[in-house]
Amino acid sequence: EPEVTQTPSHQVTQMGQEVILRCVPISNHLYFYWYRQILGQKVEFLVSFYNNEISEKSEIFDDQFSVERPDGSNFTLKIRSTKLEDSAMYFCASSRQTAAKNIQYFGAGTRLSVL
Amino acid sequence: ILNVEQSPQSLHVQEGDSTNFTCSFPSSNFYALHWYRWETAKSPEALFVMTLNGDEKKKGRISATLNTKEGYSYLYIKGSQPEDSATYLCALETSGSRLTFGEGTQLTVNP
Repeated sequence: EPEVTQTPSHQVTQMGQEVILRCVPISNHLYFYWYRQILGQKVEFLVSFYNNEISEKSEIFDDQFSVERPDGSNFTLKIRSTKLEDSAMYFCASSRQTAAKNIQYFGAGTRLSVL
Repeated sequence: ILNVEQSPQSLHVQEGDSTNFTCSFPSSNFYALHWYRWETAKSPEALFVMTLNGDEKKKGRISATLNTKEGYSYLYIKGSQPEDSATYLCALETSGSRLTFGEGTQLTVNP
């Protein structure tokens, strides 16, 4: 069964460093998403992406964040200068279409620890 | 700020017990309600997507109902098994893409 894969499973970085979290969405999906969960809090939406453009972003997704689909298969989330409060589990998801009834399939997540 | 609430926060049941949890949400601007099952260190697994008031969906021993007018959904598990132990997340879809999640209900089924 096709699945969303994320690498690495755990990333440790120093405050102020840049990190890139990688995701390979399901191959025939067109819509891509990033969510995060800070320990003890709810899963939060960060950004959605379609046709090489951001289609929606949350207030969390500020200038420190960017997303890219550098080739036909990868979807990346870059954090330019990490802060302690960026420590969280980051989930990538993809869906075939958008709008109601369309399931978003999630990866297992990348745990980012900022020291 | 959109608020999706789930209760209870955690639940311990014995193998064979049936159980249910609640997801409540503001009923305005409703598109769909998603249920996910999430085991530690694994991907959240989609269980149901529900859109119509009165919708009822079933997958094996798990079923869900939806009331969009009063803003709640119930998830039922019949005859719980230890492998049902997981966190059950509901998420409200209010636009074409964004999911707003509840805190989840952590279910532990004791053998």
